[in-house]
This record gives sequence, structure tokens and C-alpha cells, in this order.
Amino acid sequence: DQQVKQNSPSLSVQEGRISILNCDYTNSMFDYFLWYKKYPAEGPTFLISISSIKDKNEDGRFTVFLNKSAKHLSLHIVPSQPGDSAVYFCAASSTNFFQGGSEKLVFGKGTKLTVNP
Amino acid sequence: DTAVSQTPKYLVTQMGNDKSIKCEQNLGHDTMYWYKQDSKKFLKIMFSYNNKELIINETVPNRFSPKSPDKAHLNLHINSLELGDSAVYFCASSQGIGPAGEQYFGPGTRLTVT
Repeated sequence: DQQVKQNSPSLSVQEGRISILNCDYTNSMFDYFLWYKKYPAEGPTFLISISSIKDKNEDGRFTVFLNKSAKHLSLHIVPSQPGDSAVYFCAASSTNFFQGGSEKLVFGKGTKLTVNP
Repeated sequence: DTAVSQTPKYLVTQMGNDKSIKCEQNLGHDTMYWYKQDSKKFLKIMFSYNNKELIINETVPNRFSPKSPDKAHLNLHINSLELGDSAVYFCASSQGIGPAGEQYFGPGTRLTVT
């Protein structure tokens, strides 16, 4: 039961262009979403997050968009750089403890981004 | 300074053996986690401890036993290893019990069971 889905296993873009990574979720209780970045032989590192009370959060070259009605979020990287080449994981959680939320993060399978020079 | 460290980085062992993976964090966090990334690349939570108390215990075989001697350490002991236990195991930590937010991950331990 994949509650968080990243349907594109890989994405290749040219340096300087925009990278768009997509993520869909099925659990309507999710209200907090995060993106993690992972280089080979390293653990995931936090990149950016968004709460369900927002539809956009921006941090430098990284912007996350949330469409609650579609249960969809996306990560935009502009401009893409070769150093952005990594696996990007989408993660979600439900923070409403009164409705069974917890600190548990549910991860997608990841999308491998390759930025070509 | 490594924020979340795990030892060993690689572990190759035979079926039936018992092994342990150690995790330490120097961030002063009070919540620690163990995740398993299997061959299908899913990263799934196994356990979580807050101030040495177990707060998340997913459907994991009881051959897996976490132990938290203090809030900076969370070790994972695995008994009677099976082929299906081969995976990369990540330790992570965060501040607070919730809401879920930024977790800091260790570099992972690649376990291979032969």
C-alpha cells in the first residue's frame, strides 16, 4: 500500500533548466510534506518542507508546490546544477495526534535526478 | 563532526547469525529512528524512540530488537539473520516527538546476508 508515490524513477535535465519532481499521496490525513535529497553512500538530507496550510514554499533555487485537492506536490529546482544530481525522496506525515497522527514519515521510492552539464 | 553516525558501514554475514548495528547522534535530539531501505528502494520506518522510550514499532519481525541506552544512542540487534534482511539500514534523529519534521539521517549500514 503505497501512500506516497513517485511515479518517475528517473529524470534527466540540462544544466540551467528547470527540474520538476512530482509526488502523489493517497492518505488525506497527511498534512506535512518534506523533500529529502540523497547522494550515493550517504543518508538522506532534508531539503524543504511544506505544511498543508500553504500551497507554496520557496527556499533559494528550490520551491515546493502543494495541491491538496489533487493530493499532489512537486519540487521545482531552478536553475538546475550538476551538483543537484541525486535521488530525491518525497515524504509525508500526519501531525494531528488527535486523529492518529504521529512523527512517522512515509517515504516515496525516490526519483533519480541527473543534471547534465 | 558527524551528526548521526552508524557502525559498521558494511556488514556481511551468514544466515542464522546475530548482529548489531550501532547509532549515535551528537545533535542533542531526543527522538531516534531506524529505517530500512530494501531492494525496491522503499525507505520504511521500523522503530522510533523518544527519550529512550519506544514510540513507534512498525510491523517488524521480533528478531529485530532496538535498544536505547541513552537518548544519544539507538542500537539495532538482529537475531537469526535471514536472506530477506539484506538491505540498507538508516538511523535518524530529530528534536521532539512531533509534528514530524526534519530528520537527520546517518550514512546507512549495508547489510548483506549470505
